[in-house]
Amino acid sequence: EAGVAQSPRYKIIEKRQSVAFWCNPISGHATLYWYQQILGQGPKLLIQFQNNGVVDDSQLPKDRFSAERLKGVDSTLKIQPAKLEDSAVYLCASSSGGVYPYEQYFGPGTRLTVT
Amino acid sequence: DQQVKQNSPSLSVQEGRISILNCDYTNSMFDYFLWYKKYPAEGPTFLISISSIKDKNEDGRFTVFLNKSAKHLSLHIVPSQPGDSAVYFCAASARYYGGSQGNLIFGKGTKLSVKP
Repeated sequence: EAGVAQSPRYKIIEKRQSVAFWCNPISGHATLYWYQQILGQGPKLLIQFQNNGVVDDSQLPKDRFSAERLKGVDSTLKIQPAKLEDSAVYLCASSSGGVYPYEQYFGPGTRLTVT
Repeated sequence: DQQVKQNSPSLSVQEGRISILNCDYTNSMFDYFLWYKKYPAEGPTFLISISSIKDKNEDGRFTVFLNKSAKHLSLHIVPSQPGDSAVYFCAASARYYGGSQGNLIFGKGTKLSVKP
């Protein structure tokens, strides 16, 4: 079974530029998550999708971050414009979303550096 | 307000000895707890979990203990091996919490180094 795929793996941009990350979850997984992991911290949930609908985006900075899940499969996370404090690893995870508890499977992450 | 706390940023143990990683939580609604292991440049991988109706779960060299009254859990690795060197994250979940459904709340992680 293929795991969660993410691209790019690394990205360096200047502040005020825009950037987009892509995630392909495990086949058949209905639930998709985007996390932000700042150095020295644990992953923090940004947004959760169930199929192509948003379940929880309470911690997503909506003035600059946006996310969508196309046809309930792939997802993109965008930052526009980026700030220095957005430097972090962005992790995508998926789960089958069947019976609680939901075991989440993580991708390798995208390391973003904003200069 | 940190709901899941891992107060030891790092831990160093000798190969063959026991590693004990600790985690405390504050939210009594949490009913499921997980440990994830993370190597550099990789995403976290699931290691072991425990439901709040149990006080112990064992999987090979890994055992997780849960003390609900103290809101404390620990991960025991015995015997420790150099390949266990990684960052270990404690995470907690509640079936319904606020607007989320079963989302994971992570601690800051503990970096384990197992020396040969």
